[in-house]
Order: sequence, then C-alpha cells, then structure tokens
Amino acid sequence: DIQMTQSPSSLSASVGDRVAITCRTSQVISSYLNWYQQKPGKAPQLLIYGGTSLQTGVPSRFSGSGGGTDFTLIINNLQPEDSATYYCQQSYSAPRFTFGPGTKVEIK
Amino acid sequence: QAQLVQSGAEVKKPGASVKVSCKASGYTFSNSYIHWVRQAPRQGLEWMGLIDPRGGSTSHAQKFQGRIAMTRDTSTSTVYMDLYSLRSEDTAVYYCARSNILDGFDIWGQGTTVTVS
Repeated sequence: DIQMTQSPSSLSASVGDRVAITCRTSQVISSYLNWYQQKPGKAPQLLIYGGTSLQTGVPSRFSGSGGGTDFTLIINNLQPEDSATYYCQQSYSAPRFTFGPGTKVEIK
Repeated sequence: QAQLVQSGAEVKKPGASVKVSCKASGYTFSNSYIHWVRQAPRQGLEWMGLIDPRGGSTSHAQKFQGRIAMTRDTSTSTVYMDLYSLRSEDTAVYYCARSNILDGFDIWGQGTTVTVS
C-alpha cells in the first residue's frame, strides 16, 4: 500500500499570509494527487485534482504543485474562511485510494 | 445540480450490521464511481471502498475484507453500503462521494453518523 505523510500536522498563520502544506508518498504516483479542505462538521471539498488542476468554483488563491512523490498545496493571501483541515489523497493505486493524515490550518 | 443524499443516523450494538444508503441525482448515475469514506471522531479520512454503478463491480480496502458489501439499485440511482460485525471502533461519520476513477471526489454526501454502543 502507498503510505502518505503530510507536514506540518498543524500551523497557525495570519490573514494575508502565504501557506504551504506538503504531502509525500511512499512511492512515485505521477500526478495522481488530490487535495481537499474540510471544515468542522462538514463533508470534505475537492480543491485540487491531478496534482495541479483547480476544481471548478475554488478560489484561485489555492494552487497545487509537485509530482512523483512530493506535492505542495499553496494558499496565497490566506483568508479567515480558509481555517480548516486539509487532506491530500492519492488515486495512483486506483481502485484503491489513500488519504494523508491531514494538516490543520488556524488563523491567528 | 449533482448531489448525493445519505440516509439518517444509526445506533447499533456491537456485533450488529448497518446499511447506509446514498441516493444520487442531477447527473447520469452510471457515469461515475461511488466511494465510501469514513471519519472516526477527531480522526482523519479513511477510504473504505468503491462501486462502479454500471456493472456493480466493487473494490475495498484490505482492512474491511469480509465485513463490507456495496450494492446499487440503478432504478433508484441509489448505492448501499453494508458493514457487518460492528465494533466500537466503527463509530464514525460515513460519507459517500462521487468520482471518475483517477480524478478527485467532487461531490460528497452530507454524511451518516453511525454509533456502535
């Protein structure tokens, strides 16, 4: 099975900051990496698919980069509504999938 | 618009089974896979399995081997997930979600809370 790690596990940043969250996989997955945002009590929301493609309706301050085993989610100009937990997910091993452990983003 | 609507909360005793439904609307049911993802209290997301509504084929995570079954009813565009031999560690919110096989999960149900106690 493909193992996934995320760093940091949590972070605190100010409105307007640039935030980076890293996801690493235990084997090469090309660009089959997706990112989700989850707010408390709500279902996750797809932000980025295929490593770099922005899901329709997601603000352009969110972007994804990377490939192989190392991926990054960038949030530019952090907003109060971005307070959430962010998960990466690999679809390379479809039809079996894996989520990362999550990164909690708090606003100072 | 496309949406997935799940059945209501369940309370079960250890050893029992639970059946959660997920009704799709607003898109062609057979064109997308349906996944099941769960989240235990204060924990992360765990992928459980998927069903292809076209032919009913399924795949699941190894840890649920022998305890999970996923079926679909094409006449009502509904997918079902059965989880057997429940234990306290199965207490979680269970989500269904839609995807094309290699893309992300773009539509999610509202979640179904299953409590095993």
